[in-house]
Amino acid sequence: QSALTQPASVSGSPGQSITVSCTGTSNDIGGYDYVSWYQQHPGKGPKLIIYDVNNRPAGVSNRFSGSKSGNTASLTISGLQAEDEADYYCSSYSDIDTHIFGGGSRLTVL
Amino acid sequence: EVQLVESGGGVAQPGGSLRLSCAVSGFPLSNYHMKWVRQAPGKGLEWVSYIGRSGGPIYYADSVRGRFTISRDNARNSLYLQMDSLRDDDTAVYYCARDSGYAGRIDYWGQGTLVTVSS
Repeated sequence: QSALTQPASVSGSPGQSITVSCTGTSNDIGGYDYVSWYQQHPGKGPKLIIYDVNNRPAGVSNRFSGSKSGNTASLTISGLQAEDEADYYCSSYSDIDTHIFGGGSRLTVL
Repeated sequence: EVQLVESGGGVAQPGGSLRLSCAVSGFPLSNYHMKWVRQAPGKGLEWVSYIGRSGGPIYYADSVRGRFTISRDNARNSLYLQMDSLRDDDTAVYYCARDSGYAGRIDYWGQGTLVTVSS
């Protein structure tokens, strides 16, 4: 069982927006602005797409955005494209565990 | 360009051993803490081990403590994971990952190497 809770799957049509949630506790997401999101395509290593809740590394599309409210963080992908179909994982700093991840959400572009 | 390339995966019998290596390029390994993270088939990401820039501190997940040993050779730009007393549930893709130095955030990952434990 993962420390952070994500929906197993989400889906959307090209051009639409989708949101993936990630729920933790006050010991991690709720207590710190250190939430990261990773994109993983089949057979590949994860790629950092959001850090510190709502910051994008250089080269990451501005269609990806992040936010946080209380113990829940969210990843929003706008203007869905076929290439966005992948697994998405959240991660957070935790003051009671070394490194925690969500269980992952599979995005299907319909 | 930052690159992390894992090697050493393969098939091992329960109770056996494997040694994983991670060759890095595009940045000085000595400047970064490093981690190993694994992903069992069809499952999510699980942190395995951490090593500080100069070889310490070192931390392990409860599931591997006492069986796995992380090490590094900064002069060779290489990270290692010695895996002993392997169990069926160690079967996974093992990723080498760079710690950004901020709140434990991983900023780069390798492509992974598959370890299969089976008799």
